[in-house]
Amino acid sequence: RKEVEQDPGPFNVPEGATVAFNCTYSNSASQSFFWYRQDCRKEPKLLMSVYSSGNEDGRFTAQLNRASQYISLLIRDSKLSDSATYLCVVNRASVGTYKYIFGTGTRLKVLA
Amino acid sequence: EAGVAQSPRYKIIEKRQSVAFWCNPISGHATLYWYQQILGQGPKLLIQFQNNGVVDDSQLPKDRFSAERLKGVDSTLKIQPAKLEDSAVYLCASSSTHGTTAYEQYFGPGTRLTVT
Repeated sequence: RKEVEQDPGPFNVPEGATVAFNCTYSNSASQSFFWYRQDCRKEPKLLMSVYSSGNEDGRFTAQLNRASQYISLLIRDSKLSDSATYLCVVNRASVGTYKYIFGTGTRLKVLA
Repeated sequence: EAGVAQSPRYKIIEKRQSVAFWCNPISGHATLYWYQQILGQGPKLLIQFQNNGVVDDSQLPKDRFSAERLKGVDSTLKIQPAKLEDSAVYLCASSSTHGTTAYEQYFGPGTRLTVT
């Protein structure tokens, strides 16, 4: 079983739709959580960090459920420009340092 | 602020040849990472440096891959000899740290390697 799991999709949604992605993690020692966005043939870029209380940035809302060990990303009013792969990233301590574990990513395609 | 720089952007080599990639992290970032990303997968950590020391190279195929960060700034990743399955994008990332707090990673544009 992978340490961080995501549904690879693709999620095909019409413009204006609301779409939600979930990500589960298996290591309860995980400390920090992020959503990264990766466009085709580009590097990953931070979309938002995920805080225990949940956080919102415009049309994007991220939530963390430590008890069930999952994080979610909600995108409201989808735009064509939201089409990308969304990577769930979990950070945990590891032998005197910390490491980032990436999910495989969820592909989103917003259709006109 | 300048981002993470990588070169070359693209490289095509034949199997059994050698190749080297270079990365210059964001100024002041102590932690540097090399990832391998195969098409359709998330990035996989190959090696992580804290300043010029290796803190995690558990997934680095050490029989063919090597990396160094001699002065704690820029870094090189080498593959010798390359295999077909090494075809991937090699991403370099950096982050700052404060004690044991991890901050976001910033990625370079990557090097797309094709092994024929």
